[in-house]
Parts: sequence; C-alpha cells; structure tokens
Amino acid sequence: ETGVTQSPTHLIKTRGQQVTLRCSSQSGHNTVSWYQQALGQGPQFIFQYYREEENGRGNFPPRFSGLQFPNYSSELNVNALELDDSALYLCASSLGRGSSDEQFFGPGTRLTVL
Amino acid sequence: GQSLEQPSEVTAVEGAIVQINCTYQTSGFYGLSWYQQHDGGAPTFLSYNALDGLEETGRFSSFLSRSDSYGYLLLQELQMKDSASYFCAVALEGGGGNKLTFGTGTQLKVEL
Repeated sequence: ETGVTQSPTHLIKTRGQQVTLRCSSQSGHNTVSWYQQALGQGPQFIFQYYREEENGRGNFPPRFSGLQFPNYSSELNVNALELDDSALYLCASSLGRGSSDEQFFGPGTRLTVL
Repeated sequence: GQSLEQPSEVTAVEGAIVQINCTYQTSGFYGLSWYQQHDGGAPTFLSYNALDGLEETGRFSSFLSRSDSYGYLLLQELQMKDSASYFCAVALEGGGGNKLTFGTGTQLKVEL
C-alpha cells in the first residue's frame, strides 16, 4: 500500500509569483484535504476534494485554488504569493469524508516566500 | 467562533504517565481527534472520540466529555520517541465530516 506523497519537498519563491504543489493520495482513498501549517502552529484547513469536487473550504482567499484528478491525486495552486504564505503545506487523504474517516498525512511541502 | 485550547508545553520523564488536556468551543460537534507530529514530520492519527468515555489503544488513551467540551490524551510508559507535538482537532465549524480545525499543539518533552 503506497502512502501519501507530496512534491516538491521544498520550494523557494518570491512575492507575487505563483506555485503549484502536488499530492498523491493513498491507494483507495477518494478524499484529499489540504492544510497550511505555519511554524509553531497547528495545521489550518484550506479545502477538501471528494471525487474531484470541492467539498468545503476554510478561511483562505480565492488565490488559493485546487484540483483533484480522476486518480484522486490533487494539486494546490497559490497565486500572487505573499510573505505570509511561507509555511508547510500538508495534504491528507482518507477513505471518505465522514467524521470518523482517518486522515493520512503526507510529509508536506515547505514553501518559503522571499 | 471555533477554538481549541491546549497547554503549549509539557515535560515528563521516561516511564511516567502524562495527560494532555484539550478544551474546545464549537457548534455542530462531530468528535475529537488527536494527532502526533514529530519535528519536520507528518501528523499521524492517534485516536478519535465521538462519544463520551475513554478509548484505549496500547499505551495511548483518549477521553471525551461532550457536556464539558473537554478531552484529554493520556500517554503511559513514556518513551523518548514520544517527544513530539500533540494536536487535538474537531470538525470545521459548519463544515462537518473530517475537515478539521486543529489546536495550537502541545509540545511534549520526555527526559531521562
């Protein structure tokens, strides 16, 4: 069984640029959630995709967007990068979107915005 | 609004028992989850309580009291490898399911 993978592991961008982060979900999982984790903080929910449809969004501006593909892998796109976007971006996959469905997190992408 | 409170740091010795508390404020409560995260690593799921009471999984137990909006994670027979951050989490307000709001985390340091 393949775990959740994310790419790239590290990324450095400058303010105003755009970035795409990728996530491959665990085999058999149809739900992917994205979280932003600032240093010393808990993960903050960005959005969730279930069977290629957005299934809820946290308090993030529209310049944060995403996609889920037919194989249930996912992308997170961030436009017009700001310094505060520097964080660890985590994706998590789960068998479903129910409250008891355990989320399996990937290792994250560390984004630095200069 | 939604909030979860945890102590920021707890220190204990190897072999001891430690309890990490979590109080929460949220509407539409679905359950309380606990995650462990080692420095630089991915959060890993520890437990989920939907109903009041104690759930035990090996050295780790988790407790929930819905009437008190309170839960705790109990770690027994502490080992050095338990040094990590521990997060409680509840379903996102208005979102439900497993879209989670996390607390700020408790850093556990296990000493010899």
